[in-house]
Amino acid sequence: AQSVTQLDSQVPVFEEAPVELRCNYSSSVSVYLFWYVQYPNQGLQLLLKYLSGSTLVKGINGFEAEFNKSQTSFHLRKPSVHISDTAEYFCAVSEIWGQGGKLIFGQGTELSVKP
Amino acid sequence: DADVTQTPRNRITKTGKRIMLECSQTKGHDRMYWYRQDPGLGLRLIYYSFDVKDINKGEISDGYSVSRQAQAKFSLSLESAIPNQTALYFCATSDPTRAGSYNEQFFGPGTRLTVL
Repeated sequence: AQSVTQLDSQVPVFEEAPVELRCNYSSSVSVYLFWYVQYPNQGLQLLLKYLSGSTLVKGINGFEAEFNKSQTSFHLRKPSVHISDTAEYFCAVSEIWGQGGKLIFGQGTELSVKP
Repeated sequence: DADVTQTPRNRITKTGKRIMLECSQTKGHDRMYWYRQDPGLGLRLIYYSFDVKDINKGEISDGYSVSRQAQAKFSLSLESAIPNQTALYFCATSDPTRAGSYNEQFFGPGTRLTVL
Protein backbone atom coordinates (compact mmCIF):
# COMPACT_ATOMS: atom_id res chain seq x y z
CA ALA A 1 0.00 0.00 0.00
CA GLN A 2 1.03 3.58 -0.55
CA SER A 3 0.76 6.63 1.64
CA VAL A 4 1.46 10.32 1.12
CA THR A 5 2.32 12.90 3.77
CA GLN A 6 2.34 16.60 3.11
CA LEU A 7 4.38 18.08 5.89
CA ASP A 8 2.77 21.51 6.04
CA SER A 9 -0.97 22.11 6.20
CA GLN A 10 -0.59 25.86 5.63
CA VAL A 11 2.20 27.91 4.07
CA PRO A 12 1.92 31.71 4.18
CA VAL A 13 4.37 33.59 1.99
CA PHE A 14 4.82 37.08 0.62
CA GLU A 15 4.48 37.82 -3.07
CA GLU A 16 7.68 37.33 -5.09
CA ALA A 17 9.23 35.14 -2.38
CA PRO A 18 10.30 31.55 -3.11
CA VAL A 19 8.20 28.70 -1.78
CA GLU A 20 8.63 24.98 -1.18
CA LEU A 21 5.74 22.63 -0.44
CA ARG A 22 6.94 19.36 1.01
CA CYS A 23 5.70 15.88 0.17
CA ASN A 24 6.95 12.51 1.38
CA TYR A 25 5.57 9.21 0.21
CA SER A 26 5.79 5.56 1.12
CA SER A 27 5.46 2.67 -1.29
CA SER A 28 6.88 -0.81 -1.70
CA VAL A 29 6.43 -0.66 -5.49
CA SER A 30 7.23 1.83 -8.24
CA VAL A 31 4.85 4.75 -8.43
CA TYR A 32 4.00 7.75 -10.52
CA LEU A 33 4.10 11.04 -8.62
CA PHE A 34 1.84 14.03 -9.11
CA TRP A 35 1.16 17.52 -7.88
CA TYR A 36 -2.34 18.92 -8.35
CA VAL A 37 -3.58 22.43 -7.59
CA GLN A 38 -7.08 23.42 -6.49
CA TYR A 39 -7.97 27.07 -6.91
CA PRO A 40 -10.88 28.38 -4.83
CA ASN A 41 -14.22 26.90 -5.91
CA GLN A 42 -12.63 24.84 -8.67
CA GLY A 43 -11.69 21.24 -9.31
CA LEU A 44 -8.17 19.85 -9.28
CA GLN A 45 -5.77 20.71 -12.07
CA LEU A 46 -2.54 18.86 -12.81
CA LEU A 47 0.61 20.88 -12.14
CA LEU A 48 3.16 18.23 -13.02
CA LYS A 49 3.84 14.51 -13.02
CA TYR A 50 6.87 12.26 -12.71
CA LEU A 51 7.66 8.72 -13.74
CA SER A 52 11.36 8.44 -14.32
CA GLY A 53 14.30 10.19 -15.86
CA SER A 54 15.51 13.58 -14.71
CA THR A 55 14.74 14.10 -11.06
CA LEU A 56 13.71 17.71 -11.68
CA VAL A 57 10.31 18.03 -13.31
CA LYS A 58 8.92 21.26 -14.65
CA GLY A 59 5.21 21.97 -14.61
CA ILE A 60 2.79 24.72 -15.45
CA ASN A 61 2.79 28.23 -13.99
CA GLY A 62 6.52 28.16 -13.19
CA PHE A 63 6.35 25.31 -10.69
CA GLU A 64 8.86 22.51 -10.54
CA ALA A 65 9.34 19.47 -8.35
CA GLU A 66 12.35 17.41 -7.41
CA PHE A 67 12.17 13.66 -6.92
CA ASN A 68 14.50 12.25 -4.28
CA LYS A 69 14.42 8.47 -4.23
CA SER A 70 16.57 8.00 -1.14
CA GLN A 71 14.37 10.33 0.91
CA THR A 72 11.15 9.27 -0.88
CA SER A 73 10.26 12.90 -1.33
CA PHE A 74 8.73 14.94 -4.11
CA HIS A 75 8.86 18.57 -3.02
CA LEU A 76 7.23 21.32 -5.07
CA ARG A 77 9.00 24.64 -5.57
CA LYS A 78 8.53 27.99 -7.20
CA PRO A 79 11.25 30.66 -7.16
CA SER A 80 8.86 33.63 -7.06
CA VAL A 81 5.17 33.32 -6.21
CA HIS A 82 2.27 35.52 -7.25
CA ILE A 83 -0.98 36.37 -5.54
CA SER A 84 -2.69 34.16 -8.11
CA ASP A 85 -0.81 31.11 -6.77
CA THR A 86 -2.98 31.18 -3.66
CA ALA A 87 -4.62 27.75 -3.70
CA GLU A 88 -4.54 24.32 -2.13
CA TYR A 89 -1.90 21.94 -3.43
CA PHE A 90 -2.10 18.16 -3.33
CA CYS A 91 0.65 15.62 -3.75
CA ALA A 92 -0.46 12.19 -5.00
CA VAL A 93 0.98 8.83 -6.00
CA SER A 94 -0.29 6.07 -8.24
CA GLU A 95 1.02 2.55 -8.43
CA ILE A 96 2.40 1.97 -11.91
CA TRP A 97 1.18 -1.60 -12.20
CA GLY A 98 -2.09 -2.69 -10.68
CA GLN A 99 -4.42 -0.88 -8.25
CA GLY A 100 -6.54 0.29 -11.16
CA GLY A 101 -4.71 3.55 -11.59
CA LYS A 102 -5.99 4.86 -8.25
CA LEU A 103 -4.49 8.03 -6.86
CA ILE A 104 -3.51 8.25 -3.21
CA PHE A 105 -3.55 11.85 -2.05
CA GLY A 106 -1.80 13.72 0.70
CA GLN A 107 -3.72 15.90 3.10
CA GLY A 108 -3.16 19.07 1.10
CA THR A 109 -1.19 22.27 1.70
CA GLU A 110 -2.87 25.66 1.63
CA LEU A 111 -0.57 28.21 0.04
CA SER A 112 -1.49 31.77 0.93
CA VAL A 113 0.39 34.48 -0.95
CA LYS A 114 0.21 37.91 0.66
CA PRO A 115 1.04 41.24 -0.96
CA ASP B 1 -13.03 21.05 -25.07
CA ALA B 2 -13.53 17.55 -23.76
CA ASP B 3 -14.59 17.95 -20.18
CA VAL B 4 -15.83 16.49 -16.92
CA THR B 5 -19.01 18.02 -15.55
CA GLN B 6 -20.84 17.50 -12.28
CA THR B 7 -24.40 18.30 -11.23
CA PRO B 8 -25.51 19.84 -9.00
CA ARG B 9 -22.66 22.13 -7.99
CA ASN B 10 -24.17 22.79 -4.58
CA ARG B 11 -26.81 20.90 -2.63
CA ILE B 12 -28.25 21.25 0.83
CA THR B 13 -30.32 18.39 2.12
CA LYS B 14 -31.65 16.92 5.34
CA THR B 15 -30.66 13.83 7.26
CA GLY B 16 -32.30 10.70 5.88
CA LYS B 17 -32.89 12.02 2.37
CA ARG B 18 -31.71 10.19 -0.74
CA ILE B 19 -29.31 12.19 -2.85
CA MET B 20 -27.80 11.55 -6.28
CA LEU B 21 -24.75 13.33 -7.62
CA GLU B 22 -24.11 13.05 -11.32
CA CYS B 23 -20.97 13.08 -13.39
CA SER B 24 -20.65 13.25 -17.16
CA GLN B 25 -17.55 13.29 -19.32
CA THR B 26 -16.80 13.91 -22.97
CA LYS B 27 -13.20 12.72 -22.82
CA GLY B 28 -14.00 9.21 -23.98
CA HIS B 29 -12.23 7.73 -20.97
CA ASP B 30 -13.23 4.31 -19.69
CA ARG B 31 -12.18 4.83 -16.08
CA MET B 32 -14.17 7.02 -13.72
CA TYR B 33 -13.75 7.77 -10.02
CA TRP B 34 -15.64 9.38 -7.14
CA TYR B 35 -13.74 11.10 -4.32
CA ARG B 36 -14.74 13.10 -1.31
CA GLN B 37 -12.65 15.95 0.05
CA ASP B 38 -12.64 16.90 3.72
CA PRO B 39 -10.47 19.63 5.25
CA GLY B 40 -7.18 18.20 6.46
CA LEU B 41 -7.85 14.78 4.94
CA GLY B 42 -7.19 15.39 1.28
CA LEU B 43 -9.21 13.36 -1.24
CA ARG B 44 -10.39 9.87 -0.45
CA LEU B 45 -11.66 7.37 -3.00
CA ILE B 46 -15.28 6.25 -2.65
CA TYR B 47 -15.85 4.12 -5.78
CA TYR B 48 -14.22 3.61 -9.14
CA SER B 49 -15.23 2.03 -12.42
CA PHE B 50 -13.17 0.60 -15.24
CA ASP B 51 -16.14 0.32 -17.58
CA VAL B 52 -19.92 -0.03 -17.47
CA LYS B 53 -19.76 -3.55 -16.07
CA ASP B 54 -16.83 -3.13 -13.71
CA ILE B 55 -17.40 -1.19 -10.48
CA ASN B 56 -15.18 -1.33 -7.43
CA LYS B 57 -15.26 -0.04 -3.88
CA GLY B 58 -12.73 2.47 -2.73
CA GLU B 59 -11.49 3.09 0.78
CA ILE B 60 -14.66 4.77 2.09
CA SER B 61 -17.62 3.22 0.25
CA ASP B 62 -19.90 2.64 3.25
CA GLY B 63 -23.08 4.70 2.97
CA TYR B 64 -22.63 5.26 -0.78
CA SER B 65 -23.60 3.47 -3.96
CA VAL B 66 -22.84 4.14 -7.61
CA SER B 67 -24.26 3.53 -11.04
CA ARG B 68 -22.38 3.56 -14.34
CA GLN B 69 -25.16 4.19 -16.83
CA ALA B 70 -22.87 4.55 -19.84
CA GLN B 71 -19.21 5.12 -20.59
CA ALA B 72 -19.79 8.82 -20.14
CA LYS B 73 -21.93 8.81 -16.97
CA PHE B 74 -21.15 7.80 -13.41
CA SER B 75 -23.57 8.66 -10.59
CA LEU B 76 -23.00 8.61 -6.86
CA SER B 77 -25.93 8.05 -4.49
CA LEU B 78 -26.33 8.58 -0.79
CA GLU B 79 -29.26 6.36 0.13
CA SER B 80 -29.90 8.00 3.48
CA ALA B 81 -27.75 11.06 3.96
CA ILE B 82 -26.16 11.80 7.32
CA PRO B 83 -24.38 14.96 8.51
CA ASN B 84 -20.89 13.45 8.39
CA GLN B 85 -21.34 13.03 4.64
CA THR B 86 -21.14 16.80 4.35
CA ALA B 87 -18.15 17.28 2.06
CA LEU B 88 -16.92 18.32 -1.37
CA TYR B 89 -17.35 15.51 -3.89
CA PHE B 90 -15.26 15.14 -7.02
CA CYS B 91 -15.62 12.99 -10.08
CA ALA B 92 -12.55 12.14 -12.14
CA THR B 93 -11.69 10.21 -15.29
CA SER B 94 -8.55 8.62 -16.67
CA ASP B 95 -7.22 6.67 -19.63
CA PRO B 96 -4.09 4.82 -18.49
CA THR B 97 -3.74 3.17 -21.90
CA ARG B 98 -2.91 6.50 -23.51
CA ALA B 99 0.82 6.99 -24.07
CA GLY B 100 2.29 9.34 -21.50
CA SER B 101 -0.82 9.43 -19.30
CA TYR B 102 1.01 8.13 -16.20
CA ASN B 103 -2.42 7.37 -14.69
CA GLU B 104 -3.24 11.08 -14.76
CA GLN B 105 -6.79 11.83 -13.70
CA PHE B 106 -8.98 14.68 -14.90
CA PHE B 107 -11.32 16.21 -12.37
CA GLY B 108 -14.74 17.80 -12.50
CA PRO B 109 -15.48 21.08 -10.68
CA GLY B 110 -16.93 19.36 -7.63
CA THR B 111 -20.26 19.22 -5.80
CA ARG B 112 -20.52 20.82 -2.39
CA LEU B 113 -22.98 18.77 -0.34
CA THR B 114 -24.33 19.86 3.02
CA VAL B 115 -26.41 17.45 5.09
CA LEU B 116 -28.32 19.14 7.90
